[in-house]
Amino acid sequence: DGGITQSPKYLFRKEGQNVTLSCEQNLNHDAMYWYRQDPGQGLRLIYYSQIVNDFQKGDIAEGYSVSREKKESFPLTVTSAQKNPTAFYLCASRMDRGQGGYTFGSGTRLTVV
Amino acid sequence: QQQVKQSPQSLIVQKGGISIINCAYENTAFDYFPWYQQFPGKGPALLIAIRPDVSEKKEGRFTISFNKSAKQFSLHIMDSQPGDSATYFCAASIGASKIIFGSGTRLSIRP
Repeated sequence: DGGITQSPKYLFRKEGQNVTLSCEQNLNHDAMYWYRQDPGQGLRLIYYSQIVNDFQKGDIAEGYSVSREKKESFPLTVTSAQKNPTAFYLCASRMDRGQGGYTFGSGTRLTVV
Repeated sequence: QQQVKQSPQSLIVQKGGISIINCAYENTAFDYFPWYQQFPGKGPALLIAIRPDVSEKKEGRFTISFNKSAKQFSLHIMDSQPGDSATYFCAASIGASKIIFGSGTRLSIRP
């Protein structure tokens, strides 16, 4: 079955550490996205990529970094510069040609301890 | 211009009732309007979507009503069930560009 896999499901980070969240898709989708969701809040766009080796900042990119070396993979690194990283992180993908909605992963809950 | 405004923020409906969530937009170039359903601890899932050339789309108990002249669209959930309790997001996009999400509505269905 095609889909998006996010790992790990839960992640704990000590202050000052960088952590990387994994996102892999086997849908052959061109575009991939990272969103942050705080409790009871909406979705805020962190970064997105519409093609391999290219990505753009979203609305809240500070303190985050990404790479897109393969079409299937779009990892997100939460750096120590992100002052309030505790949140639910969602990865999504979309076929770039034509139209259609996003397919979301099941999310990674990051907690700073 | 790129915003999608969603209301209400939260909604409580009795079992069997009709749940209605409203969204409004400004950018007339939007040409795709999806709705997403999210359960706690899960990623959002595409529920139903509409394009502006139709005024209504129905899938089971879920209906999107679209008013192009008013730049508004709404989700109606008929015969609402406790299993429909979730957060709902409306959204809009232009072509293959990134999707703009509303702020979400937390729906609770009372048994």
